[in-house]
Amino acid sequence: QQQVRQSPQSLTVWEGETAILNCSYEDSTFDYFPWYWQFPRESPALLIAIRPVSNKKEDGRFTIFFNKREKKLSLHITDSQPGDSATYFCAASGDTGNYKYVFGAGTRLKVIA
Amino acid sequence: EAAVTQSPRSKVAVTGGKVTLSCHQTNNHDYMYWYRQDTGHGLRLIHYSYVADSTEKGDIPDGYKASRPSQENFSLILELASLSQTAVYFCASRAGTGGAPYTLYFGAGTRLSVL
Repeated sequence: QQQVRQSPQSLTVWEGETAILNCSYEDSTFDYFPWYWQFPRESPALLIAIRPVSNKKEDGRFTIFFNKREKKLSLHITDSQPGDSATYFCAASGDTGNYKYVFGAGTRLKVIA
Repeated sequence: EAAVTQSPRSKVAVTGGKVTLSCHQTNNHDYMYWYRQDTGHGLRLIHYSYVADSTEKGDIPDGYKASRPSQENFSLILELASLSQTAVYFCASRAGTGGAPYTLYFGAGTRLSVL
């Protein structure tokens, strides 16, 4: 059973547009929701993360919106740049009692200049 | 910067053979994880460990064993390699408490081809 679901599978936007990537999860014991990005032939790397005590986290052009009640979150990339073209993974993890760290299937983003 | 080293970086194995993938981290992290990556499936958790000499099954453990003989080392073992295990395997680690406890640091990956 997929514990973390992502949509869309792929997304193409023009340079300067806002890209919206969606994520949902199943397990209420998860308390940390990071987004990782991965460029071709590289390892995933942390981009931005949020804890359920907040409903929004910003880092430059990247913003996570979090809805705990609906178990949904989204990553907004404003003013998208060609260099943002990558695969984005939503993940979920916990600490005490839940040490799993699981990922969604990813969204492949392409930004066209 | 956390350092996670995987070996080998690539391997060709024969069906039915035994394969061992090794992972070593030098950052005193408590938790270590093994993932496989296939196109369209993202990163799927195979095994993980939060303390030496103990391992836990992840979401797709069938056909894999794991070993954590020390805090620094975490191995993934394929006793009888099969064609379906062809994939890129990533090892990752994270701290238990303090610092950035939830950030996963990945190794460079091992590209395994089973023929």
